This record gives sequence, structure tokens and C-alpha cells, in this order.
Amino acid sequence: GQQVMQIPQYQHVQEGEDFTTYCNSSTTLSNIQWYKQRPGGHPVFLIQLVKSGEVKKQKRLTFQFGEAKKNSSLHITATQTTDVGTYFCLMDTGRRALTFGSGTRLQVQP
Amino acid sequence: DGGITQSPKYLFRKEGQNVTLSCEQNLNHDAMYWYRQDPGQGLRLIYYSQIVNDFQKGDIAEGYSVSREKKESFPLTVTSAQKNPTAFYLCASSPGQPGSYNEQFFGPGTRLTVL
Repeated sequence: GQQVMQIPQYQHVQEGEDFTTYCNSSTTLSNIQWYKQRPGGHPVFLIQLVKSGEVKKQKRLTFQFGEAKKNSSLHITATQTTDVGTYFCLMDTGRRALTFGSGTRLQVQP
Repeated sequence: DGGITQSPKYLFRKEGQNVTLSCEQNLNHDAMYWYRQDPGQGLRLIYYSQIVNDFQKGDIAEGYSVSREKKESFPLTVTSAQKNPTAFYLCASSPGQPGSYNEQFFGPGTRLTVL
């Protein structure tokens, strides 16, 4: 079956520092989605990546999909306290199998 | 005002009792999902439904049951057979079928505590 991994589990940064979380799959993905969950809240969709090597940006957030479509990353430049939360990837193998990564919890120190 | 509603927000039950969590959506979405989230953990899929009167087991279906009699509604029953039911339960919906490149929209969740 599909093996998935999301790292790191937790990261504490000073405001203004950068942050990156990574998702890796043992199988090729048809697409990957990223979600953010604020403390006490529910996951909210951020973006979807479909093409090999795709890079998308949303203000300070940069999302990448690997060339082999087995890994992805979310990078935040110059973190702010509003970035606090847990970031999840949702991996889709295209065979109606959807698996969430375990999440990376981001804490930002003002 | 479209969205997904879950009720109640907090639920307390005694051990050995079945409990049903409500999930309603007015987004006209075909697919609906139930996830369980434990503290500091990711989301694990319990059940999903692609169409009315049809549903599929997810990764951790044991001790749970669902129904999909209406497109808008996908209630989850946590039975007494579920060994560790205390958790945060999230319902989601998406406009297409699972695996069809559609984002999922989540409800606010129900925090179930079994005493």
C-alpha cells in the first residue's frame, strides 16, 4: 500500500524566519493538495498541484510538486504570527485513495 | 449562505452508548467524508460516500456506521464497539468524486468525549 510521510512534525520559528514542510509518497501521485488548520479550527484548502515540477505561489507561500510526482513542499517566507497552525498535505493516487499527511504544526514566536 | 454544518460542537456520552453525529451540506456536493482527528495527529478517513445510498469504508471504519439517504446529509454513528471513541470528528464534502481533483470543504467539527 501507499506509504506517506510528512516532516517535520513540529517547528517553532521566530517571526520573520522561513518555514518549510515536506510530504513524501512511496507511490506516484495524480495530484496533491495542501490545507491549513488553525488551532481549534477545521482544515481549509490552500492549493492543488497537478503537474510534474509545478510551482505555485500565494503571497509568501510557495508550493512545489516534485518532478517524479512523489513529493511536495510548502515554503513560507518571513513567517508571521497569522501563519500559526498545522499544515497538511492530502495525497491523491488517482485511484480514489486519498491520504492526509500527519501534519506539521507551526508555532511562530513574535 | 452555503456551507457544511456539524452539530453539536461538543458532545459528551457515557461509555457503552451509541451516538450519532450530524453533517449537513447545502453545497450540492456529490461526495462526503468523515474523518477522525486525535490530538497532535493527522486526519484519518472513516467512511466516504460518492453518491446517495452508497458509501465506502475508509482506513478506520471499525466501530462506526454511516448512512446517505439524502445528498445533503451524511450522519455518522459511533457505536459502543468503537474502543477509543474520544476524538475530534470532521465532516467534509467535495463537488466531484474522490480522486477527481476536487478540494474538500470541511465542517467545523464535533468534539466527542466519552466518559
